[in-house]
Amino acid sequence: AQSVTQLDSHVSVSEGTPVLLRCNYSSSYSPSLFWYVQHPNKGLQLLLKYTSAATLVKGINGFEAEFKKSETSFHLTKPSAHMSDAAEYFCVVRDSGGYQKVTFGTGTKLQVIP
Amino acid sequence: EAQVTQNPRYLITVTGKKLTVTCSQNMNHEYMSWYRQDPGLGLRQIYYSMNVEVTDKGDVPEGYKVSRKEKRNFPLILESPSPNQTSLYFCASSQGDRERETQYFGPGTRLLVL
Repeated sequence: AQSVTQLDSHVSVSEGTPVLLRCNYSSSYSPSLFWYVQHPNKGLQLLLKYTSAATLVKGINGFEAEFKKSETSFHLTKPSAHMSDAAEYFCVVRDSGGYQKVTFGTGTKLQVIP
Repeated sequence: EAQVTQNPRYLITVTGKKLTVTCSQNMNHEYMSWYRQDPGLGLRQIYYSMNVEVTDKGDVPEGYKVSRKEKRNFPLILESPSPNQTSLYFCASSQGDRERETQYFGPGTRLLVL
């Protein structure tokens, strides 16, 4: 069985300050992990993914995430928040063993204060 | 242009009236999936398909049916819709192997069941 826990349902940061969105996962197999972003009334856009290569993954728009197996975490970070980053972010796990089954976290809404 | 299309984008119906939401992808992807998105619950997988004639249940399959007769199409069928199926539905597709498994999402179908 697999699961994803996004530790914060809402995060608020000031423009220009760092962003940290936390994600913990559990997986019976070596997982693939993803972060998606959803802007209001929009579809989902892939930010970045970890499959099995480098544990520090760089994505679009300055976001990155580090896969830490010992902590079962895949936190999303960005050095400096921009107003356009305000959106909902989803952490996603996909087991390599149960291969096609995908589990989304419940989402973290990021608010960026001018 | 690579894309996943869904139709209709918006649908209002009444309890018990059968409906089908279509999903089509033009990327020759093997894997397709349906999700529903509800506030505070993130996206939950309804059904997925690993190839033509191969489908399996996700986390919330009750009340839904799918079929995969052609590689490009993966319709979602609600035989007897109920108000608790009011939701935002997303279709997604991906290549299926670990290194190319980025899921591409459709624009979503907003369903209201009265």
